[in-house]
Amino acid sequence: KQEVTQIPAALSVPEGENLVLNCSFTDSAIYNLQWFRQDPGKGLTSLLLIQSSQREQTSGRLNASLDKSSGRSTLYIAASQPGDSATYLCAVKHNFNKFYFGSGTKLNVKP
Amino acid sequence: NAGVTQTPKFRVLKTGQSMTLLCAQDMNHEYMYWYRQDPGMGLRLIHYSVGEGTTAKGEVPDGYNVSRLKKQNFLLGLESAAPSQTSVYFCASSYGGGPNQPQHFGDGTRLSIL
Repeated sequence: KQEVTQIPAALSVPEGENLVLNCSFTDSAIYNLQWFRQDPGKGLTSLLLIQSSQREQTSGRLNASLDKSSGRSTLYIAASQPGDSATYLCAVKHNFNKFYFGSGTKLNVKP
Repeated sequence: NAGVTQTPKFRVLKTGQSMTLLCAQDMNHEYMYWYRQDPGMGLRLIHYSVGEGTTAKGEVPDGYNVSRLKKQNFLLGLESAAPSQTSVYFCASSYGGGPNQPQHFGDGTRLSIL
């Protein structure tokens, strides 16, 4: 069974820092990997989706990379802001009905 | 611009009671999903649907039933609630099941079973 791990569970950084969030998975036979943001009491907002044939995706200050062979993905956040404070989740998809989520990294960006 | 809407947002039940959670999407998506989120365990798929009139079991289906009578709605039912079903329930939808199809989530239903 696929296992998705996100380390660290929590991260606190000062405003303006560049940071990297990590996601690892045990089964490399994935369709895609998706990064989400979850604010307290809210649902998940999709940030980036990387298909298995892709290496990275970018959106604004966010860049996500995927290395299937090593079972790793990273989410790079440039010039972090207090508004980036949230829990970030990664999820891998094997087919239309098999999704596996990590437990998330809770990010706190201090002003 | 509603997207995925879940009702109710909060509910407290007693053990043995039944209830139905409603998920509605206005994006004409074919695929819909129900998840539960528990501390330290990530989201786990309960049931899913690949189109109107179809449903299938996910990873943790026991104690739940679902129906997809209309394309835009996906209902999750608890016939006899148990304390182990205390959780946050999320509905999601996607246009299709392919590798380039992202999931869109609702804001969740926080359910407590006493």
